[in-house]
Amino acid sequence: EAGVTQFPSHSVIEKGQTVTLRCDPISGHDNLYWYRRVMGKEIKFLLHFVKESKQDESGMPNNRFLAERTGGTYSTLKVQPAELEDSGVYFCASSQAINSPLHFGNGTRLTVT
Amino acid sequence: SQQGEEDPQALSIQEGENATMNCSYKTSINNLQWYRQNSGRGLVHLILIRSNEREKHSGRLRVTLDTSKKSSSLLITASRAADTASYFCATATNTGGFKTIFGAGTRLFVKA
Repeated sequence: EAGVTQFPSHSVIEKGQTVTLRCDPISGHDNLYWYRRVMGKEIKFLLHFVKESKQDESGMPNNRFLAERTGGTYSTLKVQPAELEDSGVYFCASSQAINSPLHFGNGTRLTVT
Repeated sequence: SQQGEEDPQALSIQEGENATMNCSYKTSINNLQWYRQNSGRGLVHLILIRSNEREKHSGRLRVTLDTSKKSSSLLITASRAADTASYFCATATNTGGFKTIFGAGTRLFVKA
């Protein structure tokens, strides 16, 4: 079974630019999550999709972040316009059931200069 | 606010020794999970313990859960250099919507 894949693995952009991160969950996993880790701090929850619906987006920092999961398959996370404090590693994870362990991708390391 | 907090932040031991990491959390939970992350990779699930369980084993891993103290511990016995990684506890909670919340992790270094 293919794991969770994220693209790109690294992205370096300038402040004010736009970046779109992509996540392909494990096939058949209805639950998809986005997390972010900044500078060795805790891995912070951003949001949770069940199929194409946003179940919980309480962790999204502000309206510069937009997550979508059209068709309930892959998901994108767009940051527009990017700020310096958006730098960090963005992880995507998926799970079969809502109470099941999470399967993580390798993350996208975003650097905003 | 941060739900899970691991202690210590970093741990360095010799190969063959046991490593113990602790986790404290704040709200009620459905289950608690431990994950491992090797540098530059994603997190890998190690073990899940439900809120009505007190202890669980998996190979060289032993996890305890004390819901009265809102704490858990992960013991790795007979550590190996390959166990060098960051270890995270994560709590699955229904508070404010169902989500799995992670701490900042413990960095474990096992010297050969």
